[in-house]
Amino acid sequence: GAVVSQHPSWVICKSGTSVKIECRSLDFQATTMFWYRQFPKQSLMLMATSNEGSKATYEQGVEKDKFLINHASLTLSTLTVTSAHPEDSSFYICSARPGQGARNEQYFGPGTRLTVT
Amino acid sequence: AQRVTQPEKLLSVFKGAPVELKCNYSYSGSPELFWYVQYSRQRLQLLLRHISRESIKGFTADLNKGETSFHLKKPFAQEEDSAMYYCALDPTGANNLFFGTGTRLTVIP
Repeated sequence: GAVVSQHPSWVICKSGTSVKIECRSLDFQATTMFWYRQFPKQSLMLMATSNEGSKATYEQGVEKDKFLINHASLTLSTLTVTSAHPEDSSFYICSARPGQGARNEQYFGPGTRLTVT
Repeated sequence: AQRVTQPEKLLSVFKGAPVELKCNYSYSGSPELFWYVQYSRQRLQLLLRHISRESIKGFTADLNKGETSFHLKKPFAQEEDSAMYYCALDPTGANNLFFGTGTRLTVIP
Protein backbone atom coordinates (compact mmCIF):
# COMPACT_ATOMS: atom_id res chain seq x y z
CA GLY A 1 0.00 0.00 0.00
CA ALA A 2 0.81 3.73 0.00
CA VAL A 3 2.02 3.98 -3.57
CA VAL A 4 2.69 7.28 -5.27
CA SER A 5 3.12 7.51 -9.02
CA GLN A 6 4.45 10.26 -11.23
CA HIS A 7 3.86 10.85 -14.90
CA PRO A 8 5.79 11.19 -17.05
CA SER A 9 8.92 9.52 -15.72
CA TRP A 10 10.99 11.63 -18.07
CA VAL A 11 10.30 14.45 -20.48
CA ILE A 12 12.26 16.52 -22.93
CA CYS A 13 10.88 19.86 -23.98
CA LYS A 14 12.04 22.89 -25.91
CA SER A 15 12.95 26.12 -24.22
CA GLY A 16 9.96 28.39 -23.84
CA THR A 17 7.36 25.65 -23.67
CA SER A 18 5.46 24.47 -20.60
CA VAL A 19 5.40 20.99 -19.20
CA LYS A 20 3.05 19.39 -16.71
CA ILE A 21 4.03 16.68 -14.24
CA GLU A 22 1.40 14.62 -12.45
CA CYS A 23 1.65 13.11 -9.01
CA ARG A 24 -0.95 10.56 -7.94
CA SER A 25 -1.57 8.67 -4.74
CA LEU A 26 -2.82 5.32 -5.98
CA ASP A 27 -4.27 3.67 -2.91
CA PHE A 28 -4.81 6.43 -0.39
CA GLN A 29 -6.12 9.93 -0.17
CA ALA A 30 -3.46 12.56 0.21
CA THR A 31 -4.48 15.68 2.00
CA THR A 32 -1.03 17.13 1.45
CA MET A 33 1.45 16.66 -1.33
CA PHE A 34 4.97 17.98 -1.55
CA TRP A 35 7.13 18.84 -4.54
CA TYR A 36 10.90 18.56 -4.46
CA ARG A 37 13.65 19.31 -6.92
CA GLN A 38 16.96 17.51 -7.08
CA PHE A 39 19.97 18.61 -9.08
CA PRO A 40 22.65 16.05 -9.96
CA LYS A 41 24.64 14.94 -6.93
CA GLN A 42 22.72 17.35 -4.74
CA SER A 43 20.02 16.98 -2.15
CA LEU A 44 16.28 17.13 -2.53
CA MET A 45 15.08 20.68 -2.16
CA LEU A 46 11.53 21.29 -1.02
CA MET A 47 9.81 23.54 -3.52
CA ALA A 48 6.27 23.73 -2.26
CA THR A 49 3.58 22.14 -0.17
CA SER A 50 0.12 21.73 -1.60
CA ASN A 51 -3.04 21.02 0.31
CA GLU A 52 -6.10 19.76 -1.48
CA GLY A 53 -8.42 22.56 -2.46
CA SER A 54 -6.16 25.42 -1.45
CA LYS A 55 -3.24 27.36 -2.81
CA ALA A 56 0.21 25.87 -2.55
CA THR A 57 2.75 27.22 -0.10
CA TYR A 58 6.05 27.89 -1.80
CA GLU A 59 9.45 27.84 -0.18
CA GLN A 60 11.59 30.93 -0.25
CA GLY A 61 13.24 31.46 -3.61
CA VAL A 62 10.78 29.34 -5.59
CA GLU A 63 8.87 31.31 -8.20
CA LYS A 64 5.20 30.49 -7.86
CA ASP A 65 4.39 31.92 -11.29
CA LYS A 66 6.98 29.66 -12.86
CA PHE A 67 6.12 26.49 -11.00
CA LEU A 68 2.34 26.25 -10.95
CA ILE A 69 0.95 23.70 -8.54
CA ASN A 70 -2.59 22.45 -8.56
CA HIS A 71 -4.01 20.00 -6.04
CA ALA A 72 -7.55 19.64 -7.24
CA SER A 73 -8.33 16.27 -5.73
CA LEU A 74 -7.21 14.08 -2.86
CA THR A 75 -5.29 11.83 -5.22
CA LEU A 76 -3.77 14.19 -7.75
CA SER A 77 -1.40 17.11 -7.70
CA THR A 78 0.19 18.65 -10.77
CA LEU A 79 3.31 20.73 -11.22
CA THR A 80 3.50 22.83 -14.36
CA VAL A 81 6.84 24.33 -15.29
CA THR A 82 5.92 27.35 -17.38
CA SER A 83 8.16 28.80 -20.08
CA ALA A 84 10.82 26.27 -19.29
CA HIS A 85 14.49 27.10 -19.71
CA PRO A 86 17.56 24.87 -19.65
CA GLU A 87 18.27 25.83 -16.05
CA ASP A 88 14.94 24.23 -15.10
CA SER A 89 16.33 20.86 -16.15
CA SER A 90 16.25 18.75 -13.03
CA PHE A 91 14.74 15.76 -11.30
CA TYR A 92 11.35 16.57 -9.81
CA ILE A 93 10.01 14.36 -7.04
CA CYS A 94 6.65 14.47 -5.35
CA SER A 95 5.52 12.95 -2.10
CA ALA A 96 2.10 12.48 -0.58
CA ARG A 97 0.94 12.34 2.99
CA PRO A 98 -2.22 10.48 3.89
CA GLY A 99 -4.73 11.65 6.45
CA GLN A 100 -4.92 14.78 8.48
CA GLY A 101 -2.12 14.23 10.94
CA ALA A 102 1.01 16.23 10.23
CA ARG A 103 3.11 13.42 11.68
CA ASN A 104 1.96 10.93 9.07
CA GLU A 105 4.68 9.54 6.88
CA GLN A 106 5.33 10.96 3.45
CA TYR A 107 5.40 8.51 0.55
CA PHE A 108 7.58 9.43 -2.37
CA GLY A 109 7.02 9.08 -6.07
CA PRO A 110 9.70 7.74 -8.39
CA GLY A 111 10.52 11.18 -9.78
CA THR A 112 10.35 12.86 -13.18
CA ARG A 113 13.45 13.85 -15.07
CA LEU A 114 12.94 17.07 -17.02
CA THR A 115 15.38 18.09 -19.72
CA VAL A 116 14.89 21.45 -21.39
CA THR A 117 16.74 21.89 -24.66
CA ALA B 1 17.26 28.86 8.83
CA GLN B 2 17.52 25.12 9.02
CA ARG B 3 20.40 23.15 7.60
CA VAL B 4 21.30 19.47 7.43
CA THR B 5 24.87 18.39 6.86
CA GLN B 6 26.04 14.94 5.86
CA PRO B 7 29.80 15.25 5.66
CA GLU B 8 30.44 11.99 3.84
CA LYS B 9 29.28 11.66 0.24
CA LEU B 10 30.62 8.12 0.02
CA LEU B 11 31.18 5.51 2.68
CA SER B 12 32.44 1.96 2.18
CA VAL B 13 32.54 -0.71 4.84
CA PHE B 14 33.08 -4.44 4.81
CA LYS B 15 30.22 -6.81 5.47
CA GLY B 16 29.90 -7.43 9.18
CA ALA B 17 31.69 -4.24 10.15
CA PRO B 18 29.98 -1.47 12.08
CA VAL B 19 28.72 1.47 10.12
CA GLU B 20 27.96 5.03 11.14
CA LEU B 21 26.52 7.63 8.80
CA LYS B 22 26.92 11.11 10.18
CA CYS B 23 24.29 13.81 10.22
CA ASN B 24 24.52 17.22 11.84
CA TYR B 25 21.84 19.84 11.79
CA SER B 26 21.40 23.46 12.63
CA TYR B 27 18.09 24.85 13.75
CA SER B 28 17.21 27.06 16.66
CA GLY B 29 14.13 25.15 17.73
CA SER B 30 13.37 21.49 18.44
CA PRO B 31 13.07 19.79 15.07
CA GLU B 32 12.10 16.27 14.21
CA LEU B 33 14.82 14.25 12.54
CA PHE B 34 14.49 11.43 10.03
CA TRP B 35 16.60 9.05 8.02
CA TYR B 36 15.42 8.18 4.53
CA VAL B 37 16.93 5.47 2.32
CA GLN B 38 16.93 4.96 -1.43
CA TYR B 39 17.93 1.52 -2.67
CA SER B 40 19.12 1.09 -6.24
CA ARG B 41 16.34 1.75 -8.75
CA GLN B 42 13.81 2.34 -5.99
CA ARG B 43 12.14 5.40 -4.62
CA LEU B 44 12.97 7.23 -1.44
CA GLN B 45 11.47 5.67 1.67
CA LEU B 46 11.44 6.38 5.36
CA LEU B 47 13.93 4.34 7.38
CA LEU B 48 13.38 5.76 10.84
CA ARG B 49 12.41 8.86 12.76
CA HIS B 50 13.82 10.01 16.06
CA ILE B 51 10.50 10.27 17.85
CA SER B 52 9.82 6.58 17.29
CA ARG B 53 13.03 5.52 19.03
CA GLU B 54 12.95 2.24 17.18
CA SER B 55 15.42 0.04 15.35
CA ILE B 56 14.67 -0.63 11.71
CA LYS B 57 16.65 -3.25 9.79
CA GLY B 58 19.19 -3.13 12.60
CA PHE B 59 19.70 0.62 12.25
CA THR B 60 19.35 3.04 15.13
CA ALA B 61 19.80 6.77 15.42
CA ASP B 62 19.96 8.87 18.55
CA LEU B 63 19.20 12.54 18.57
CA ASN B 64 21.95 14.41 20.41
CA LYS B 65 20.67 17.92 20.97
CA GLY B 66 23.91 19.05 22.56
CA GLU B 67 25.94 18.12 19.52
CA THR B 68 23.00 18.72 17.13
CA SER B 69 23.63 15.34 15.59
CA PHE B 70 21.50 12.43 14.47
CA HIS B 71 23.98 9.80 13.36
CA LEU B 72 22.73 6.52 11.89
CA LYS B 73 24.37 3.38 13.19
CA LYS B 74 24.33 -0.34 12.59
CA PRO B 75 26.63 -2.75 14.40
CA PHE B 76 27.02 -5.26 11.58
CA ALA B 77 26.59 -4.06 8.00
CA GLN B 78 24.95 -6.30 5.42
CA GLU B 79 25.32 -6.20 1.65
CA GLU B 80 21.65 -5.28 1.27
CA ASP B 81 22.32 -2.11 3.26
CA SER B 82 24.11 -0.63 0.25
CA ALA B 83 22.04 2.40 -0.68
CA MET B 84 21.81 6.17 -0.60
CA TYR B 85 20.94 7.51 2.83
CA TYR B 86 19.48 10.96 3.45
CA CYS B 87 19.12 12.68 6.79
CA ALA B 88 16.15 15.04 6.95
CA LEU B 89 14.84 17.65 9.33
CA ASP B 90 11.30 18.84 9.93
CA PRO B 91 11.56 22.18 11.70
CA THR B 92 7.95 22.76 12.60
CA GLY B 93 6.37 19.33 12.93
CA ALA B 94 4.32 20.04 9.83
CA ASN B 95 6.21 17.34 7.95
CA ASN B 96 7.97 19.80 5.64
CA LEU B 97 11.27 18.06 5.17
CA PHE B 98 14.68 19.55 4.53
CA PHE B 99 17.24 17.03 3.34
CA GLY B 100 20.98 16.65 3.62
CA THR B 101 23.04 15.90 0.53
CA GLY B 102 23.05 12.19 1.21
CA THR B 103 25.67 9.52 1.81
CA ARG B 104 26.11 6.59 -0.52
CA LEU B 105 26.89 3.51 1.54
CA THR B 106 28.58 0.56 -0.10
CA VAL B 107 28.93 -2.65 1.84
CA ILE B 108 31.76 -4.73 0.46
CA PRO B 109 31.20 -8.49 0.54
